[in-house]
Amino acid sequence: GAVVSQHPSRVICKSGTSVKIECRSLDFQATTMFWYRQFPKQSLMLMATSNEGSKATYEQGVEKDKFLINHASLTLSTLTVTSAHPEDSSFYICSARAPGLAGGVTGELFFGEGSRLTVL
Amino acid sequence: GQQVMQIPQYQHVQEGEDFTTYCNSSTTLSNIQWYKQRPGGHPVFLIQLVKSGEVKKQKRLTFQFGEAKKNSSLHITATQTTDVGTYFCAGPLEGSQGNLIFGKGTKLSVKP
Repeated sequence: GAVVSQHPSRVICKSGTSVKIECRSLDFQATTMFWYRQFPKQSLMLMATSNEGSKATYEQGVEKDKFLINHASLTLSTLTVTSAHPEDSSFYICSARAPGLAGGVTGELFFGEGSRLTVL
Repeated sequence: GQQVMQIPQYQHVQEGEDFTTYCNSSTTLSNIQWYKQRPGGHPVFLIQLVKSGEVKKQKRLTFQFGEAKKNSSLHITATQTTDVGTYFCAGPLEGSQGNLIFGKGTKLSVKP
């Protein structure tokens, strides 16, 4: 199946610093990627939809100036948590849908491995 | 707004017992998908159901899509310790760019 890679898997930073998380589609082109946040023992909450070559679409309640998303190419989307605070500590996961896989199921999302952010 | 509800939230079973999680949508879905997330891992696609009343099997896992396409279930027969994880159902999010709305998941623990 399609592969989505996310980096870094874990990051610890000081309060006030910015952290960049990368999401790459390794064997397919993704015009759209999705960024989720998952708190412990909770479900996936969509933060934003990343569109290649255009602005991201943010969900209600998500600060676009705090969570900067850049989708500069068909295989890479980045999420930057700016001026991170302890309440931003969470598990951030990206996903993408691989279009038209021959013999495969359409519509499924392929998830990255996730990035666990801890802000001290 | 659109909601996808999943029950139970937690399920503890003895190895060898069966397990079922139920998913209910507030709206009719064009399809429903199931994902499994192992502890510390990321969600992995299990299956997609499209047709009304559809039933699909993957070894010990049986997936069902309701006639009204608003509910679904995942049944595991004779659970094993490898089945441990959180199972999420998800359906297309209305008005989105192909995104999904996820249920809150059912966390399965299996006692050996």
